[in-house]
Amino acid sequence: AQKITQTQPGMFVQEKEAVTLDCTYDTSDPSYGLFWYKQPSSGEMIFLIYQGSYDQQNATEGRYSLNFQKARKSANLVISASQLGDSAMYFCAMSVNSGGSNYKLTFGKGTLLTVNP
Amino acid sequence: GAVVSQHPSWVICKSGTSVKIECRSLDFQATTMFWYRQFPKQSLMLMATSNEGSKATYEQGVEKDKFLINHASLTLSTLTVTSAHPEDSSFYICSARDGRGTDTQYFGPGTRLTVL
Repeated sequence: AQKITQTQPGMFVQEKEAVTLDCTYDTSDPSYGLFWYKQPSSGEMIFLIYQGSYDQQNATEGRYSLNFQKARKSANLVISASQLGDSAMYFCAMSVNSGGSNYKLTFGKGTLLTVNP
Repeated sequence: GAVVSQHPSWVICKSGTSVKIECRSLDFQATTMFWYRQFPKQSLMLMATSNEGSKATYEQGVEKDKFLINHASLTLSTLTVTSAHPEDSSFYICSARDGRGTDTQYFGPGTRLTVL
């Protein structure tokens, strides 16, 4: 079974500063994908970034980067130069495709990020 | 990025009525779609996995006769909440898997269901 752990229920950051949201995962499958999604108060789940288990380099997408440490089974999200619009709930998720799992996503409980002006 | 639409965005209905929610992938074909339910301040709970042309696979504890799922085409899946009751009030959100690259799931904007 897969498990995602997000230990920070809430985080605060000053505008223009960087922030790291923690995520650890557990799976016995060697092939998996790690995802981060942003959910603002409107409810929509916005895809931010993806990291494959065999990717050699850490993923980056604009101000988002994923600090992938495979041995530690961690996939932290780093947001640089925070903006007020970054205030939202952030979910870490993982998918595997074994045993007909159909790439189902396992989600963490989320971290509520608040960016202060 | 890939776009997924969901309709309606909100619905209020009387107890005992049925409600249909549509999920469409607009610019890609999705062989697999997923339906989630989310309670306030909680994470997403997977209800079922929907593959085009076959029966949906429901997660443990989800009543398949209560939540009917139809995946009629590569771009459309529907969730029907039958004989809705107040305890079915929730935020329902669908996703579609884009199998062309990283198998990323793209989500619709969600449907807020309130059953009176």
